[in-house]
Amino acid sequence: AQSVTQPDIHITVSEGASLELRCNYSYGATPYLFWYVQSPGQGLQLLLKYFSGDTLVQGIKGFEAEFKRSQSSFNLRKPSVHWSDAAEYFCAVGAATSGTYKYIFGTGTRLKVLA
Amino acid sequence: ETGVTQSPTHLIKTRGQQVTLRCSSQSGHNTVSWYQQALGQGPQFIFQYYREEENGRGNFPPRFSGLQFPNYSSELNVNALELDDSALYLCASSWDNSPLHFGNGTRLTVT
Repeated sequence: AQSVTQPDIHITVSEGASLELRCNYSYGATPYLFWYVQSPGQGLQLLLKYFSGDTLVQGIKGFEAEFKRSQSSFNLRKPSVHWSDAAEYFCAVGAATSGTYKYIFGTGTRLKVLA
Repeated sequence: ETGVTQSPTHLIKTRGQQVTLRCSSQSGHNTVSWYQQALGQGPQFIFQYYREEENGRGNFPPRFSGLQFPNYSSELNVNALELDDSALYLCASSWDNSPLHFGNGTRLTVT
């Protein structure tokens, strides 16, 4: 079955520290992978996507993610976190089933940033 | 470029009532998808519309229905509301299978 696992429900980091959010997926074919960010009371904003090619992808706001097929992972990283990065982060896999292309989301990781 | 807009932003309904949520897709997008996000959870796929026809459905009962109009805007209708329907309902638009662009959602509370 297709699924996305985000093992960390909450993560707290100090401003200026590095960040890594974990994401593991289960999908039979080559996955399309995404990271979205959601601020309180807001919708989801696309940070970055992986379709094919270079396994290290760059996104907005200084984020990057690395696709590792052998580990079924797509971890999100940022070298230096800013207080404005505090939000909830969702990893998703694009899954094609019976002609429908839908996203399967993880349960999210809530990031808290300490000043 | 106009993004995805949803209305209303908040809604309170009573169990058993019916509700209609609206979504205007981003200009140039022909596909609309609806997701339900319960508190503390990731979004769950409800259904997708392409060229005014339902193009796939998630694990939601038939009382969840939708429409897509010629201008690609969309409605989500929920009949016989239950307490568990309380959630943030997100609309997303895309051009074919391009990345989804989400609206800010409608927060539905069922009492």
